[in-house]
Amino acid sequence: QVQLQESGPGLVKPSQTLSLTCNVSGGSVSSGNYYWSWIRQPAGKGLEWIGRIYSSGSASYNPSLKSRVTISVDTSKNQFSLKVTSVTAADTAVYYCARALLPNPTFDSWGQGTLVTVSS
Amino acid sequence: DIQMTQSPSSLSASIGDRVTITCRASQSITTYLNWYQQKLGQAPKLLIHAASTLQSGVPSSFSGSGSGTDFTLTISSLQPEDFATYYCQQSYSTPYTFGQGTKLEIK
Repeated sequence: QVQLQESGPGLVKPSQTLSLTCNVSGGSVSSGNYYWSWIRQPAGKGLEWIGRIYSSGSASYNPSLKSRVTISVDTSKNQFSLKVTSVTAADTAVYYCARALLPNPTFDSWGQGTLVTVSS
Repeated sequence: DIQMTQSPSSLSASIGDRVTITCRASQSITTYLNWYQQKLGQAPKLLIHAASTLQSGVPSSFSGSGSGTDFTLTISSLQPEDFATYYCQQSYSTPYTFGQGTKLEIK
């Protein structure tokens, strides 16, 4: 049973960079059957897909965030990461990492989520 | 981007009721439609993928149907643990998008 666990600072100052890591256990980020994604949810609101990465390092991002987002994968550590630059209060949200089963990208496993607050 | 619209946004129902939630896509997504359940303070949980395929371990009281632009999630007999928020999500094209959610509450 795969497990995903987000980690990173819970508080980030405006204009700085948000950095999170998702550690994967019970499965491998090198598997060709999955994408690895980040999804966020502001308090009381819906879900927003941020982007995905494949084990090869090929990434795709939501155009709404594309210029500020980077997702990377470290197969040696079995983890993948998210960076969002120039954050504002609008980036305050619970951030989830999730596994997407191919070929129909379905988010079948999720981390518990981590709250990131952008505030000075 | 493909817009996903759910209706209703909220719904009050009683234990044992049959409930249907609708999701409409702004363009055809064939059957690239998934449904999730989210309880307060928890991550979403996959219920149905490819419009009608029940995820392993999900009770058979849940079912999904539809294709193209119109989809439904049906719960045949509500149980106490079913009261949650439900989201549809299209996986036809990036950016993957979710509906705004349907909050199912106890009447």
